[in-house]
Amino acid sequence: AQSVTQPDIHITVSEGASLELRCNYSYGATPYLFWYVQSPGQGLQLLLKYFSGDTLVQGIKGFEAEFKRSQSSFNLRKPSVHWSDAAEYFCAVGARRGGADGLTFGKGTHLIIQP
Amino acid sequence: GAVVSQHPSRVICKSGTSVKIECRSLDFQATTMFWYRQFPKQSLMLMATSNEGSKATYEQGVEKDKFLINHASLTLSTLTVTSAHPEDSSFYICSARDAGLAGLNEQFFGPGTRLTVL
Repeated sequence: AQSVTQPDIHITVSEGASLELRCNYSYGATPYLFWYVQSPGQGLQLLLKYFSGDTLVQGIKGFEAEFKRSQSSFNLRKPSVHWSDAAEYFCAVGARRGGADGLTFGKGTHLIIQP
Repeated sequence: GAVVSQHPSRVICKSGTSVKIECRSLDFQATTMFWYRQFPKQSLMLMATSNEGSKATYEQGVEKDKFLINHASLTLSTLTVTSAHPEDSSFYICSARDAGLAGLNEQFFGPGTRLTVL
């Protein structure tokens, strides 16, 4: 069975500083990988996704993520965070089977931005 | 494009009543929709997979008689929480897979429905 681990429950970063959120996955084949952001009481917004090809993917709001097969990781990065980036971030993995399966989510990382 | 709506956004009901939540794909056809449940400050857990015109597939531990799912059209899936109890209070989120993006596991999420059972 597939699984996703986000080892950091909370992360606090100063505004303007760089950010890296960690995500490790467990899956028997090459997975589909996603990062979503959720503001309080809201649904999920897709930041970026990896299906194949270039292992460094660019997303919205200045985010990027790098797929590292050898480390089973898909860490999310941003060079300079803004106060509006404070939210809950979820990494998710999907099976490469035509989308027949739901996604498996990590437990999320709560990002706090210090002024 | 790829907008998914949910209705209602919030619902409060009395214990023992049933509540229906709708999930609609507004600008694409969704042969498959998914229902997730999110407890406060926790992750999303897949409850069931809803396929148009067929029975839903439930994840282990999810009571199919309690959480009735109907996917009668390519743009609508409904989740009915029957005989709701306070422990059913949660944030329910649906997602839809665009039938036109066959082969890609990309899902578009609705804004969620906050259910509170008194």
